[in-house]
Amino acid sequence: GENVEQHPSTLSVQEGDSAVIKCTYSDSASNYFPWYKQELGKGPQLIIDIRSNVGEKKDQRIAVTLNKTAKHFSLHITETQPEDSAVYFCAAKRSNDYKLSFGAGTTVTVRA
Amino acid sequence: EPEVTQTPSHQVTQMGQEVILRCVPISNHLYFYWYRQILGQKVEFLVSFYNNEISEKSEIFDDQFSVERPDGSNFTLKIRSTKLEDSAMYFCASSENAGKRGLSYNEQFFGPGTRLTVL
Repeated sequence: GENVEQHPSTLSVQEGDSAVIKCTYSDSASNYFPWYKQELGKGPQLIIDIRSNVGEKKDQRIAVTLNKTAKHFSLHITETQPEDSAVYFCAAKRSNDYKLSFGAGTTVTVRA
Repeated sequence: EPEVTQTPSHQVTQMGQEVILRCVPISNHLYFYWYRQILGQKVEFLVSFYNNEISEKSEIFDDQFSVERPDGSNFTLKIRSTKLEDSAMYFCASSENAGKRGLSYNEQFFGPGTRLTVL
């Protein structure tokens, strides 16, 4: 099955700086890569996703990049704010599956 | 904005007891999922459900687990005889389609979760 690795496990950044989270996946059949943000006591919230037919997608301060050849994808958060503090999960889905395979999560702390 | 809801938020049960976790998916969604997250571990897929039948399940989803859509709005996960290792956060999710066979959208929207504690 698909195996998703995520790094780093924790990330502390100064407010206003950028944060980058990286994920790798194992199965070249994966074609959908969502990112979720989980705040304390809440469920994972979809914040951005990318499909394998594009290399980059941006939505305001967040962007995702995908390198299909290397089988890795990254989340970039620019101009971080305290409300960006949360656990972020990457995931991958193979084209013939229904399920998402998740990374282990990155705890992001934005220092004011 | 429509959202997935789950009840209860926290369930405490004795080992060997049956529990039912409830979910109300987003109203126009057709695909439903259960995931779980054991403390400190990854979010793991349990089962997906479409058109009143299981479309995919993981090896975790054994005979102790079952899912049902008893009416037009609820989606339930039943654990027949709970074990200590079933203690986890259980998330329900729903999507408009499955992102297969050329359908490009598979955004899965998650509920807030039910924390199950088995004593």
